[in-house]
Amino acid sequence: GQQVQQSPASLVLQEGENAELQCNFSSTATRLQWFYQHPGGRLVSLFYNPSGTKHTGRLTSTTVTNERRGSLHISSSQTTDSGTYFCAIDRRYAQGLTFGLGTRVSVFP
Amino acid sequence: NAGVIQTPRHKVTGKGQEATLWCEPISGHSAVFWYRQTIVQGLEFLTYFRNQAPIDDSGMPKERFSAQMPNQSHSTLKIQSTQPQDSAVYLCASSLGTEYAEQFFGPGTRLTVL
Repeated sequence: GQQVQQSPASLVLQEGENAELQCNFSSTATRLQWFYQHPGGRLVSLFYNPSGTKHTGRLTSTTVTNERRGSLHISSSQTTDSGTYFCAIDRRYAQGLTFGLGTRVSVFP
Repeated sequence: NAGVIQTPRHKVTGKGQEATLWCEPISGHSAVFWYRQTIVQGLEFLTYFRNQAPIDDSGMPKERFSAQMPNQSHSTLKIQSTQPQDSAVYLCASSLGTEYAEQFFGPGTRLTVL
């Protein structure tokens, strides 16, 4: 089964609303990384967060490794936040990232 | 810092032809990764080099796919006898090479096999 599960699969927001994206993983992970991808664009690293909470602008990443979960909080969403957000984990003894299927976020004015 | 560079950005091949994709990692990064992205399968790990040596190719299809890293400044992914199901965006990433270091991705090469 899917080792990294993201929810929701898609999300529609009105500009200014907050959102919380969830990531749950079944394998033992050493790191969790969040990426953003605009349609047709490159994967942009948002957070590399092994544990705890990190903030960048309106984004907050929280990782609880021993509970095998992470979350990405978007506050005061803007239309430019539209795109797909991927969660990926580093599995122990493996170097390649294992990705979730992503959460597609659409923010309307 | 130009980031990870991938060429070409788009490639169209006919069924049965060969495709070679190029990746230039970030200067100073000793680890290079290849991934494939499709609508159906999502993002899949293919292979990984560290200090130019192949470390893990567990995600590579066993036939027709090969990857090399002849020097520290570039890696290639070669697909022989391309098939329509090989159509995907192929992504290259690099990292500092320390254990579980953060990975930075290139823009990808969109391969279309007709």
